[in-house]
Amino acid sequence: GQNIDQPTEMTATEGAIVQINCTYQTSGFNGLFWYQQHAGEAPTFLSYNVLDGLEEKGRFSSFLSRSKGYSYLLLKELQMKDSASYLCAVSSGGSYIPTFGRGTSLIVHP
Amino acid sequence: EPEVTQTPSHQVTQMGQEVILRCVPISNHLYFYWYRQILGQKVEFLVSFYNNEISEKSEIFDDQFSVERPDGSNFTLKIRSTKLEDSAMYFCASRSVGHSGYTFGSGTRLTVV
Repeated sequence: GQNIDQPTEMTATEGAIVQINCTYQTSGFNGLFWYQQHAGEAPTFLSYNVLDGLEEKGRFSSFLSRSKGYSYLLLKELQMKDSASYLCAVSSGGSYIPTFGRGTSLIVHP
Repeated sequence: EPEVTQTPSHQVTQMGQEVILRCVPISNHLYFYWYRQILGQKVEFLVSFYNNEISEKSEIFDDQFSVERPDGSNFTLKIRSTKLEDSAMYFCASRSVGHSGYTFGSGTRLTVV
């Protein structure tokens, strides 16, 4: 099975930078996903990391270290609309289907 | 932007009744999925579907569940005899070949009373 761990809740200030960490334990790692989920809505795809390193996409970046079983999602220039749950998900073994963590609820305040 | 469409948005049913949740995936996507999310809990995988057959399923997806692609556009999830613990948000998702990210539908909130 997989064990995915991320903080339950984080708060940050509008305009600031926040880093949301995710650690995982799995065998046969295939890839790591980050999704954003606003309350009562569907998850939306943010990023997918297979290789070590940083992937940048606008205000959002995602980092992966396979040897450490560690990833983070970096959000820059925070906006109020970034208040949401951020879900880390990992695929492994013979399956490319992601298993989701419990998510980190990010609250952005003025 | 193409989207995955789910109907109904909310369904209330009595325990023991059958329900069918409907999804229209993005037209050129070939992989289809059902996930569920019990209120306040994590998103859980139910089943994946490719080339007109189930390719993978989780322990949650027992004999009470079935999926079907009755025509070229719809993808359905049937729960034969609903239980109280089936109350959840059910998300349909689809993916194109070679792209890793899933596109989720807006979900069907199922309430079993």
